[in-house]
Amino acid sequence: SAVISQKPSRDICQRGTSLTIQCQVDSQVTMMFWYRQQPGQSLTLIATANQGSEATYESGFVIDKFPISRPNLTFSTLTVSNMSPEDSSIYLCSGETLAGVGYNEQFFGPGTRLTVL
Amino acid sequence: GQQLNQSPQSMFIQEGEDVSMNCTSSSIFNTWLWYKQEPGEGPVLLIALYKAGELTSNGRLTAQFGITRKDSFLNISASIPSDVGIYFCAGQLAGSARQLTFGSGTQLTVLP
Repeated sequence: SAVISQKPSRDICQRGTSLTIQCQVDSQVTMMFWYRQQPGQSLTLIATANQGSEATYESGFVIDKFPISRPNLTFSTLTVSNMSPEDSSIYLCSGETLAGVGYNEQFFGPGTRLTVL
Repeated sequence: GQQLNQSPQSMFIQEGEDVSMNCTSSSIFNTWLWYKQEPGEGPVLLIALYKAGELTSNGRLTAQFGITRKDSFLNISASIPSDVGIYFCAGQLAGSARQLTFGSGTQLTVLP
């Protein structure tokens, strides 16, 4: 398994500003992902954070709005840029570990609760 | 995108009762994962399934990977108050780049 921490745990931000969320894993993971979740709702994948290269974004999410970095195998950041109230959500980081050949498990951080005023 | 149909959406049960929830899809999955999420926390992995027909237990929890690879269920036996939370199924599509598709969640409430 992997233990994942996120900073900040929550924030209240003004419209038009940007917030960078940090994700730290306690061990090397093969893949890291960023999700968004409205309270009580399901998780929506934003992007796959690729180590040393540009992230791979899902439909509806773009790099200019959600720039992502992953400088090494245990750390990634997600920036929510030029925020609007519609960006208020829970942002979750996850890491995938290999339990064995062909057996992968994904573990999640506690989330960052963002409110945009 | 791909969808996982998770049911029921919510359940209210008495302590001690057994619970069953399931996920179905029209697509084939290589992996099924079941998570539990409590308020203010991230999802916690409960059970991982990798082979069609696989039946796996984790304490009072039992989950199965459907033989068609398009469905999975989770059973909780003898529920207790700390079982309260939202349960999500998640699947990794055959041929995908390992991203997970999540179900809509089952909100479980256990009444004392």
